[in-house]
Amino acid sequence: GQQVMQIPQYQHVQEGEDFTTYCNSSTTLSNIQWYKQRPGGHPVFLIQLVKSGEVKKQKRLTFQFGEAKKNSSLHITATQTTDVGTYFCAGKDGGSNYKLTFGKGTLLTVNP
Amino acid sequence: NAGVTQTPKFRILKIGQSMTLQCTQDMNHNYMYWYRQDPGMGLKLIYYSVGAGITDKGEVPNGYNVSRSTTEDFPLRLELAAPSQTSVYFCASSYSQISRTANTEAFFGQGTRLTVV
Repeated sequence: GQQVMQIPQYQHVQEGEDFTTYCNSSTTLSNIQWYKQRPGGHPVFLIQLVKSGEVKKQKRLTFQFGEAKKNSSLHITATQTTDVGTYFCAGKDGGSNYKLTFGKGTLLTVNP
Repeated sequence: NAGVTQTPKFRILKIGQSMTLQCTQDMNHNYMYWYRQDPGMGLKLIYYSVGAGITDKGEVPNGYNVSRSTTEDFPLRLELAAPSQTSVYFCASSYSQISRTANTEAFFGQGTRLTVV
């Protein structure tokens, strides 16, 4: 079945440093979504990417979808303590409109 | 707007006991999901439903059952609890995908933290 791999599993940064997490799928995706989960909380939707090569920005967050629609990345510029949490990518493969497969997530901790 | 509501928030079960995790949503979403989250392991899909009366297995369905008699409710049943089912359980719902570019984000409940001893 479809697998979504995410690296790194953990990342610790100093406040102000940049952070990137990468997501790779074993199959071509129809779209990819990114979620953030604060410690003790539930996943909250950040963004959805649909088009090959798409790039979207939300303030300090930049999301990219690969040309082959099999990989994606999330980059945070100048991290802040409020960025702490686990970032998940979740993909829908080309044959399914409803099955979301999540990566294992990247836990980001930020030292003030 | 309540969104996705899960009950209970916490539960301790003894091995062999059974229980039902409740999930209800008030957004008229067709799609509903149950995930379990183990530490450092991400979210694994247990069961999903694309509409009332229709359910299907996800990655890790063994030991669980679901039903979807209404659009709003999607309960998850554990028949014979085992320590391996200790986890945090999340219910989620989303819109049907009308077009390829339509936003189909999943809305999650607050989670149920289950411990089996």
